[in-house]
Amino acid sequence: GAGVSQSPSNKVTEKGKDVELRCDPISGHTALYWYRQSLGQGLEFLIYFQGNSAPDKSGLPSDRFSAERTGGSVSTLTIQRTQQEDSAVYLCASSWGPFNEQFFGPGTRLTVL
Amino acid sequence: TQLLEQSPQFLSIQEGENLTVYCNSSSVFSSLQWYRQEPGEGPVLLVTVVTGGEVKKLKRLTFQFGDARKDSSLHITAAQPGDTGLYLCAGEEGGGSNYKLTFGKGTLLTVNP
Repeated sequence: GAGVSQSPSNKVTEKGKDVELRCDPISGHTALYWYRQSLGQGLEFLIYFQGNSAPDKSGLPSDRFSAERTGGSVSTLTIQRTQQEDSAVYLCASSWGPFNEQFFGPGTRLTVL
Repeated sequence: TQLLEQSPQFLSIQEGENLTVYCNSSSVFSSLQWYRQEPGEGPVLLVTVVTGGEVKKLKRLTFQFGDARKDSSLHITAAQPGDTGLYLCAGEEGGGSNYKLTFGKGTLLTVNP
C-alpha cells in the first residue's frame, strides 16, 4: 500500500502524560499536514510542512503541541501534558505540493482519561 | 477566520431518493472541495470547484459552486447504501495560504436499503 499511514491507530492515555503520534506520508510528497477532528466538529488545521521551509504552526492550539518532520518524510506530532479536551482523531495528510490534492491517512484516535 | 456552515448536519433517507447538502459561508473562497469520509478512515477528495457558477458531475453526484464563490451544494440522485458517509466541504483561503483548508462540520448521510 502506497497510502499515508499513521500509528498508532488508537491511543488511550492518562491526563498529564505525553503522547507521540506518527505519520508516514506517501513517498515523494513534499507537503505534509496535521489536522484534528473532534466529535461533531470539522477538521481543524494544526500544522503544515513544505520541503525544507519553516513549517506553518499557526493552527497549533497551545504550546503543549509540537511537530517535527525528519528528513522531509516521517512526521511526529507530540502533545505534552495531555488534557481531556485533547481527545480527538488526529489526521495526517500529504500532497505533491501545496496546491495539490491532499491524501489523508486513517487517523489516530486519541482518548485522554 | 473563514467559516463554512454545512446543512443538514444529519440526513437519513431511503435507497433511490434524491438529496442535496449545502455548504455556506459569508467569505469568498478561491476554490472549494468536497470530501467523503467513512468510519475509521480519512477523508477522500471527491471534487474541486474553482470557478463561480461551475457545475461538475461525478456519476450520480452533482456539485455546484455559487456565483459569488461563497457557497456550494452537492446533489445526489438515486442514492445508494454505498453513498453512506460523512460529506465534508472545505475551502481554500487563497493568496499565500492556498494550502490551508477550512472545513465545515460535515453532513452525516445514511442511505437505508
